[in-house]
Amino acid sequence: NAGVMQNPRHLVRRRGQEARLRCSPMKGHSHVYWYRQLPEEGLKFMVYLQKENIIDESGMPKERFSAEFPKEGPSILRIQQVVRGDSAAYFCASSPSLGMVNEKLFFGSGTQLSVL
Amino acid sequence: GESVGLHLPTLSVQEGDNSIINCAYSNSASDYFIWYKQESGKGPQFIIDIRSNMDKRQGQRVTVLLNKTVKHLSLQIAATQPGDSAVYFCAENGNFGNEKLTFGTGTRLTIIP
Repeated sequence: NAGVMQNPRHLVRRRGQEARLRCSPMKGHSHVYWYRQLPEEGLKFMVYLQKENIIDESGMPKERFSAEFPKEGPSILRIQQVVRGDSAAYFCASSPSLGMVNEKLFFGSGTQLSVL
Repeated sequence: GESVGLHLPTLSVQEGDNSIINCAYSNSASDYFIWYKQESGKGPQFIIDIRSNMDKRQGQRVTVLLNKTVKHLSLQIAATQPGDSAVYFCAENGNFGNEKLTFGTGTRLTIIP
């Protein structure tokens, strides 16, 4: 029973390039969450998606960032025209259904994005 | 804005001793709290959670205490082991669901052999 899978583990991009981060939720999970973590800080909520729907993107910057969770395939967090401030660890979590009380989030190992 | 904060950024404990990690929260409407453990290079791992209608909950070697009066949360780890060395985060999710966890900055726990 594989956990939440994220790839790549490490991604290096030059300023102005695009970054694509992928997340495959746990088997049977239909809800995906993306969080960002800066060094020595806690995780910050970015976006919450169900299959083919964005439920809450209030934590995601309005420009350059987008997320999707298609009917087939992994969830994708896309960052266009990356800047050095985008360098961070990006974590994905999944849950089986709409955030029920006591329903725990399972996190992946993250993608470390470094922008040169 | 609302925040979840920790009192101490680092904590060193002798192996076998008990450790206590503290957390203060500011959102008085919060009703669900979680402790996560994060090892280097890994994602957060769920440890234990507690609802606001409780003031104590115990797991295996871990206990979470909630004091709603002073908006304080603590994680007690008994008989610490080297594998307990990690960064520990408290998080709260407001009134319902798990969509937006608000994490504290974290406390780095080091177990001294």
